Amino acid sequence: QPVLTQSSSASASLGSSVKLTCTLSSGHSSYIIAWHQQQPGKAPRYLMKLEGSGSYNKGSGVPDRFSGSSSGADRYLTISNLQSEDEADYYCETWDSNTHKVFGGGTKLTVL
Amino acid sequence: QLQLQESGPGLVKPSETLSLTCTVSGGSISSRSYYWGWVRQPPGKGLELIGSIYYSGSTYYNPSLKSRVTISIDTSKNQFSLNLSSVTAADTAVYYCASHGAAAPNNWFDPWGQGTLVTVSS
Repeated sequence: QPVLTQSSSASASLGSSVKLTCTLSSGHSSYIIAWHQQQPGKAPRYLMKLEGSGSYNKGSGVPDRFSGSSSGADRYLTISNLQSEDEADYYCETWDSNTHKVFGGGTKLTVL
Repeated sequence: QLQLQESGPGLVKPSETLSLTCTVSGGSISSRSYYWGWVRQPPGKGLELIGSIYYSGSTYYNPSLKSRVTISIDTSKNQFSLNLSSVTAADTAVYYCASHGAAAPNNWFDPWGQGTLVTVSS
């Protein structure tokens, strides 16, 4: 079963860019992940699917400011031109055999 | 477009069974394209998969909860349900229902329900 590791917190200034990391455990570096955003008091929202090649597909309505990239076992979510509404928790998700799903611990992003 | 909505009691007594229902709209729960799942989030903590069910009734449960969880599906009502037995305060959480694709690699959760807070207390 894969394990996903995320930093617990990150911060960046309004209008700047931030890169969040989700790291796959050893032996699982080729896995596809998904990024989800959870704004305060709200349900998670799917942002994008991200492959090991760096190819990503965003969900409906996700702003162009959100992009994904990969390097080895690391999966990145980059948010450009940070807005106040981007202050949220960000979770990565992956899976084994369709149903064996795991989540990272989440990164709390603060917009300064 | 699929939409999911949780319903059920917001307060459950210790040792009793937590029961929630998720109503699916905008699509058929009998579709072979989706699994239907439950995820929970204790206050101030991260997301934890509870389990998933397919239209056929096939289920997957998180091993840490398997002994206490039952997920079922009612195709006539376009609903699926969660039962979690012998609850304790540690089961206090926001419970989300969500769907994910059945065909690899499109297996991420999307969409999510709005979530419902269940508190375990006497």
